[in-house]
Amino acid sequence: AQSVTQPDIHITVSEGASLELRCNYSYGATPYLFWYVQSPGQGLQLLLKYFSGDTLVQGIKGFEAEFKRSQSSFNLRKPSVHWSDAAEYFCAVGPSLNTGFQKLVFGTGTRLLVSP
Amino acid sequence: DVKVTQSSRYLVKRTGEKVFLECVQDMDHENMFWYRQDPGLGLRLIYFSYDVKMKEKGDIPEGYSVSREKKERFSLILESASTNQTSMYLCASSLYGQSNQPQHFGDGTRLSIL
Repeated sequence: AQSVTQPDIHITVSEGASLELRCNYSYGATPYLFWYVQSPGQGLQLLLKYFSGDTLVQGIKGFEAEFKRSQSSFNLRKPSVHWSDAAEYFCAVGPSLNTGFQKLVFGTGTRLLVSP
Repeated sequence: DVKVTQSSRYLVKRTGEKVFLECVQDMDHENMFWYRQDPGLGLRLIYFSYDVKMKEKGDIPEGYSVSREKKERFSLILESASTNQTSMYLCASSLYGQSNQPQHFGDGTRLSIL
């Protein structure tokens, strides 16, 4: 079964600074990988996803993530953080099987705080 | 645009009550999900449904049941609410069951059981 770890519970970044949120997964093959963002009082919104191909994927709101098979990682990055990026971020992993129902497993989340 | 609507943003109920949480999606999606979100635990899958009247247990189904009488509507039922079911509940839907299908989430229902 797949699993996902987000080692940082909280991260504080100054506005305008770069950001990297860590995500490590466990799965026997290349999984499907996702990053979601949850703004206060709202549901989760998909930021980006990786299925195959180019290991650097671009998402919405200026975010990108890089899949590194050797490190079993899928870290989320943004070159310059804005105050509106303050939210909770969830990494999710799903098995790369195209038959039947396959559930996603979510990490425990990283809360991003943006300081002025 | 995709829309998943949860009927209540906040709900306060008493121990022992039967509680209904409603979710409606307007995308003609096959699959619908109920998650529970607790600090430090992330999202945990309670139940999911892959078709009308079809349901499957997720990781934490105890104390919950679900109903899907119409494709667009998926209800979560707390048969006899207990204080340990105080939580944020999130509904989601996806087009198909394969995990490469993004899930679309509602805004959540924050449920307090007193």
